[in-house]
Amino acid sequence: EPEVTQTPSHQVTQMGQEVILRCVPISNHLYFYWYRQILGQKVEFLVSFYNNEISEKSEIFDDQFSVERPDGSNFTLKIRSTKLEDSAMYFCASRANYGTYEQYFGPGTRLTVT
Amino acid sequence: SQQGEEDPQALSIQEGENATMNCSYKTSINNLQWYRQNSGRGLVHLILIRSNEREKHSGRLRVTLDTSKKSSSLLITASRAADTASYFCATDAGNFNKFYFGSGTKLNVKP
Repeated sequence: EPEVTQTPSHQVTQMGQEVILRCVPISNHLYFYWYRQILGQKVEFLVSFYNNEISEKSEIFDDQFSVERPDGSNFTLKIRSTKLEDSAMYFCASRANYGTYEQYFGPGTRLTVT
Repeated sequence: SQQGEEDPQALSIQEGENATMNCSYKTSINNLQWYRQNSGRGLVHLILIRSNEREKHSGRLRVTLDTSKKSSSLLITASRAADTASYFCATDAGNFNKFYFGSGTKLNVKP
């Protein structure tokens, strides 16, 4: 069964460093999302992406964040200058097409900023 | 805010019993989804109910939706130890580009 994959599973970085989190959505899906979950808290929407552009973003998704679909298969989330409070699990999700609403989530990347 | 809120926050039951979790939300929705998350893992889609539906079944899962009360419930019948997980409801923001998750119900099914 097709699944969303994410790499790395765990990333440790120092405050101020740039990180890129990678996702490979399900191949025929058209809509892509990033969420984060701070330990013990709810899953928070970050950004949605369709047709090579951002559809919607939350207030969390400030200028430090960017997304890209560089090659038609990968979907990346970049954090330019990490802060301690960026430590969280980051989940990528994809959705098939207009008219289907189920999102399929990857296993997540645990980001630890020290 | 649109976010769904589940209750109870935690639920502990014996294997074989039914588990009921509730979700409330604040604004109009197109659909509501339930997800499961095992500890430290990603979310798994369980079931989706559209705003014009009142009840939906999938295996041992039964979901109801009351749009007048802006609430939904997830019933897991004949629970198993493997059902131990956190359960979240997710609502859309009306345009399918943004989804809000609640805080979740942590279900513990004791063997």
